[in-house]
Amino acid sequence: GAVVSQHPSRVICKSGTSVKIECRSLDFQATTMFWYRQFPKQSLMLMATSNEGSKATYEQGVEKDKFLINHASLTLSTLTVTSAHPEDSSFYICSARGDRDSGANVLTFGAGSRLTVL
Amino acid sequence: DAKTTQPPSMDCAEGRAANLPCNHSTISGNEYVYWYRQIHSQGPQYIIHGLKNNETNEMASLIITEDRKSSTLILPHATLRDTAVYYCIVRGGGNTGKLIFGQGTTLQVKP
Repeated sequence: GAVVSQHPSRVICKSGTSVKIECRSLDFQATTMFWYRQFPKQSLMLMATSNEGSKATYEQGVEKDKFLINHASLTLSTLTVTSAHPEDSSFYICSARGDRDSGANVLTFGAGSRLTVL
Repeated sequence: DAKTTQPPSMDCAEGRAANLPCNHSTISGNEYVYWYRQIHSQGPQYIIHGLKNNETNEMASLIITEDRKSSTLILPHATLRDTAVYYCIVRGGGNTGKLIFGQGTTLQVKP
């Protein structure tokens, strides 16, 4: 089945530094990937839609200059949290549409990346 | 997108069937019902989806009412590893992209 890999799974950084999170579709090509963030005891919040070869589409309230998304190939999307601050500490999860059912809209999710900003 | 309503939490005894309800009274004709679950500190896992007919796979069964305004996810023999937050999402088919998650139902399977 479709597999999405995220790296790193955990990262701790100092305030003011930038952190890059990678999302790879391992056995399928994904023209579209999605980035979510999740705070403790809350649901997933969609941040942006990453489109291969074009600019990402950000959800309302998500700063595009803060969360840089690059989708340079059909199997890789990256999320860079720039000048991270403690309030950016969260669980970041990516997903991609697999080929389980071409008629539906089934997404495969990565295992998530837990960011802690000190 | 149609909104969904789920109970915030449910308990189930290990080995028994877990029946998780979802209301989606504003669903439109071309929208599917998707179920995902999220085990603590992991990414969501796809369970099942359906449009009109009931569906069954190795994980669960999905029962959709005839008017499509509600559905039930059935885990036939719940185990402790099924403890998770279960999300019911209604969305269009094809490459319509993003899924919006609500609060889901926290299912606690008890020994």
